[in-house]
Amino acid sequence: DAGVTQSPTHLIKTRGQQVTLRCSPISGHKSVSWYQQVLGQGPQFIFQYYEKEERGRGNFPDRFSARQFPNYSSELNVNALLLGDSALYLCASSSGQGLDFGAGTRLSVL
Amino acid sequence: QKEVEQNSGPLSVPEGAIASLNCTYSDRVSQSFFWYRQYSGKSPELIMSIYSNGDKEDGRFTAQLNKASQYVSLLIRDSQPSDSATYLCAVSWGSGNTGKLIFGQGTTLQVKP
Repeated sequence: DAGVTQSPTHLIKTRGQQVTLRCSPISGHKSVSWYQQVLGQGPQFIFQYYEKEERGRGNFPDRFSARQFPNYSSELNVNALLLGDSALYLCASSSGQGLDFGAGTRLSVL
Repeated sequence: QKEVEQNSGPLSVPEGAIASLNCTYSDRVSQSFFWYRQYSGKSPELIMSIYSNGDKEDGRFTAQLNKASQYVSLLIRDSQPSDSATYLCAVSWGSGNTGKLIFGQGTTLQVKP
């Protein structure tokens, strides 16, 4: 079975631009979570969605938004990019026994 | 502020030794605890989960949980150079929901041949 898939793998943007990251969970998993990992730090929780509803939001500004589709895939949107948004963005799905992470999208903001 | 604390290391052990990784957490409501391994440039990989006080063993790995002391540890026996990675401790945010985890900053383990 395929694991969590994310696209794109790498992305380069300039300050002020907008970006959309995509994620498909493991088949059968209805929960999708998004995390941001800055170099040298642990992942930081951004959003969780379950059955298309937001179940939680971390301490991130309103420039960050997400949604989940009927097939349980998800998108993370970040508007008005800042240099500090440069990070590895991780999507994870869960069956209730811990998180399975995708390979991540590495975003560089110049 | 919910926090998970880990010593960033690096922790250096010789091949074949026992590596001991420690983690403390601040939220007494947390019910689920996880250890992830992350190789450089890769995403985290779940290696152990523990939900009850005591020890849980899986191959060369043993997770230990003490909720009264708010302490989680991971022991790696017979450490191998391939175990060299960053180990992330993660704690569930509140009770039950394991989709929201708080991660420590990770401990870098170096296993010297």
